[in-house]
Amino acid sequence: QKEVEQDPGPLSVPEGAIVSLNCTYSNSAFQYFMWYRQYSRKGPELLMYTYSSGNKEDGRFTAQVDKSSKYISLFIRDSQPSDSATYLCAMSAHNFGNEKLTFGTGTRLTIIP
Amino acid sequence: EADIYQTPRYLVIGTGKKITLECSQTMGHDKMYWYQQDPGMELHLIHYSYGVNSTEKGDLSSESTVSRIRTEHFPLTLESARPSHTSQYLCASSSQGQYGYTFGSGTRLTVV
Repeated sequence: QKEVEQDPGPLSVPEGAIVSLNCTYSNSAFQYFMWYRQYSRKGPELLMYTYSSGNKEDGRFTAQVDKSSKYISLFIRDSQPSDSATYLCAMSAHNFGNEKLTFGTGTRLTIIP
Repeated sequence: EADIYQTPRYLVIGTGKKITLECSQTMGHDKMYWYQQDPGMELHLIHYSYGVNSTEKGDLSSESTVSRIRTEHFPLTLESARPSHTSQYLCASSSQGQYGYTFGSGTRLTVV
């Protein structure tokens, strides 16, 4: 079983819709959770970062972590065509020393104008 | 501007050739990583380094080798390329206290 599960999609939604992207994980030691956005033919770029449970909002993006359910989400409000990309979740148990990230497979998202 | 650079962006090469994928960063990060990314698959860590003269193999077995002679430079070498090496190779870096990794734009390698 993979440590991190993410639906690869593809997911297509109309412009302006609310998008929900999700990951589940099995390692209860994970405490640091990240979402990366990867445009075609580019490397991933860090979009959101959260620690432990709770919500974090940045503009149209909200990251949510539910450690009791081992479930994280990324919500995109008022989605734009420029949001079309692959979104990868990543997580780690620590943020110091020599901790490596564990990534999901990524969800390919297309926003239809 | 601080960044991480990978060259070449695209490479098509014949079986049996030796190749080196270049990765350089200007941020002074001590940690660097090489990932392999295939469509629909998660990123697989193939090599990492926590500093000069320090290199380790990652979770995914790879026939490639790496070196870290300078902080800013982390090249990956395939001594004899095979079609099974066809993939996208992503280089990343990080430092203590930084959130997550900074990734390069990747090298898309095709071995024919």
